[in-house]
Amino acid sequence: DAKTTQPPSMDCAEGRAANLPCNHSTISGNEYVYWYRQIHSQGPQYIIHGLKNNETNEMASLIITEDRKSSTLILPHATLRDTAVYYCIVRVAEIQGMRFGAGTRLTVKP
Amino acid sequence: DAMVIQNPRYQVTQFGKPVTLSCSQTLNHNVMYWYQQKSSQAPKLLFHYYDKDFNNEADTPDNFQSRRPNTSFCFLDIRSPGLGDAAMYLCATSTREGNEQYFGPGTRLTVT
Repeated sequence: DAKTTQPPSMDCAEGRAANLPCNHSTISGNEYVYWYRQIHSQGPQYIIHGLKNNETNEMASLIITEDRKSSTLILPHATLRDTAVYYCIVRVAEIQGMRFGAGTRLTVKP
Repeated sequence: DAMVIQNPRYQVTQFGKPVTLSCSQTLNHNVMYWYQQKSSQAPKLLFHYYDKDFNNEADTPDNFQSRRPNTSFCFLDIRSPGLGDAAMYLCATSTREGNEQYFGPGTRLTVT
């Protein structure tokens, strides 16, 4: 699996958009980009995933650059409950299991 | 609600005393996973079951084993726990595609 690089921490004001970057410059053509988050003392939670195209669901949007070497997870209106560690994972679809990196600790402030 | 249940939430065991952690699911998912998460670290995949097929990660110690007697249940057995095995153990499930994994709340294991 390709390696991912994320900033260790970020802050965001409540109500503003949170933009979390992820670098995956060695991604292969058959590898998907996944985002999970882990709120303190809970198990990780799936957010979104994509291959090439931008994706949006009720939780977030995923923007993948055209060369697929980086991506951005966007939480459009961050709330205090979005404070968590956010993990960007690159994975071949046929390989089971997620290999988590260090992640970004997002703190949403009032 | 369909969910992933882990029991117990907290487990204390003695050094070298075998311990079993339990996971059950009501999602009827084909795949079940066990992860280990040590303090301030990311979760680390130990192994998974794809239906009845067991798949071990290359760096998972032999001290860790797993059983899946049926679709709903999966157990993590630690044969001789060491102090370094103290961690949160997370169970997760998914469909065959494995894109969206559903995690349980975890069992926090303390080794004394």
